[in-house]
Amino acid sequence: DGGITQSPKYLFRKEGQNVTLSCEQNLNHDAMYWYRQDPGQGLRLIYYSQIVNDFQKGDIAEGYSVSREKKESFPLTVTSAQKNPTAFYLCASSPGATDTQYFGPGTRLTVL
Amino acid sequence: GENVEQHPSTLSVQEGDSAVIKCTYSDSASNYFPWYKQELGKGPQLIIDIRSNVGEKKDQRIAVTLNKTAKHFSLHITETQPEDSAVYFCAASKGTALIFGKGTTLSVSS
Repeated sequence: DGGITQSPKYLFRKEGQNVTLSCEQNLNHDAMYWYRQDPGQGLRLIYYSQIVNDFQKGDIAEGYSVSREKKESFPLTVTSAQKNPTAFYLCASSPGATDTQYFGPGTRLTVL
Repeated sequence: GENVEQHPSTLSVQEGDSAVIKCTYSDSASNYFPWYKQELGKGPQLIIDIRSNVGEKKDQRIAVTLNKTAKHFSLHITETQPEDSAVYFCAASKGTALIFGKGTTLSVSS
């Protein structure tokens, strides 16, 4: 997991509530990413950021929002507009946009 | 759109045997191909990667081969051990992002 931390490890929320997942890295990486993983599926890209104050939508951005105010931090908000939010969420970072990506330990979100 | 196909979805081998996992990709512009190992409840860990200017790369018991003409790449694990049991993902670059295969669950029995 290197210097990438995600908190909390498990998160429970009621349907209709927004929830924010934390991702912090101390690797001095410029690029950061959020992926969603469902059982038996690969990782699908939600959002990514190549530099502070800039981010782009991935393949499944609907119902999610992000911010990148600091190089070290890339929080993900799962909004009530996300129809199926229950999943395992993984944050990653890389030195530059086309470099190797390193993953955090993940947050398992369950919406009741 | 661009996608990565990974086979097989499950693979069972005896300790000491070799294991091979294959992936194909569709985007001819892809030039970076990492492989990740994920243990239950944890984040994926990079085990080996290859760029399009080489055809093969080896790291101890693990090797990756790349055939750009055919758009496929493979992971080879020799002398498998029980601790190799995990889910393995291949990926191919798409611009500044990665497209992942759906994973292969490898079980090594002793």
